[in-house]
Amino acid sequence: QKEVEQDPGPLSVPEGAIVSLNCTYSNSAFQYFMWYRQYSRKGPELLMYTYSSGNKEDGRFTAQVDKSSKYISLFIRDSQPSDSATYLCALLGSDYKLSFGAGTTVTVRA
Amino acid sequence: GAGVSQSPSNKVTEKGKDVELRCDPISGHTALYWYRQSLGQGLEFLIYFQGNSAPDKSGLPSDRFSAERTGGSVSTLTIQRTQQEDSAVYLCASSRLGYEQYFGPGTRLTVT
Repeated sequence: QKEVEQDPGPLSVPEGAIVSLNCTYSNSAFQYFMWYRQYSRKGPELLMYTYSSGNKEDGRFTAQVDKSSKYISLFIRDSQPSDSATYLCALLGSDYKLSFGAGTTVTVRA
Repeated sequence: GAGVSQSPSNKVTEKGKDVELRCDPISGHTALYWYRQSLGQGLEFLIYFQGNSAPDKSGLPSDRFSAERTGGSVSTLTIQRTQQEDSAVYLCASSRLGYEQYFGPGTRLTVT
């Protein structure tokens, strides 16, 4: 079993829809929870990070962490075609190594 | 400000040749990381530098892989006697605080 599980999709939604992405993890030692966005043939771009259970908002993006269930989510409101990308969850322990999910490919249809 | 830069952006090499991949971190970032991204394995950790020392080399796949960092800045990842399974995108990231890791564009390595 992988440390971090993420459904690779693909996920296709119409413009303006809410995109819902999630990951589960098995190691309770993870301390920081990140979401990266990766466009084709580009490096991952850090979108959001959090270290506590609960919600964190940044514009159209909301990251949610439930440590008791070992479950993290990312919601994208009012999705745009420019949001079409692969979204990777990444978890960080005290060793500073990021453990990544497989990534979910999202397409937002105009 | 300038982000993490990596060179070359693409590298095609013959099996058995050595390659060097370069990473230039964000100025002031003391931590530097190498990851590898391949279709079958996703994104995998290779090695981590704090300053010029590498406290964690646990992700290096074999002794053909080595890395160094000089002056607390530029890092080089060297792969000796390349094999086809080394074909992947090699990503470098840097961090000031340890948890916010910022990635470069990667080097796409193809071993023929």
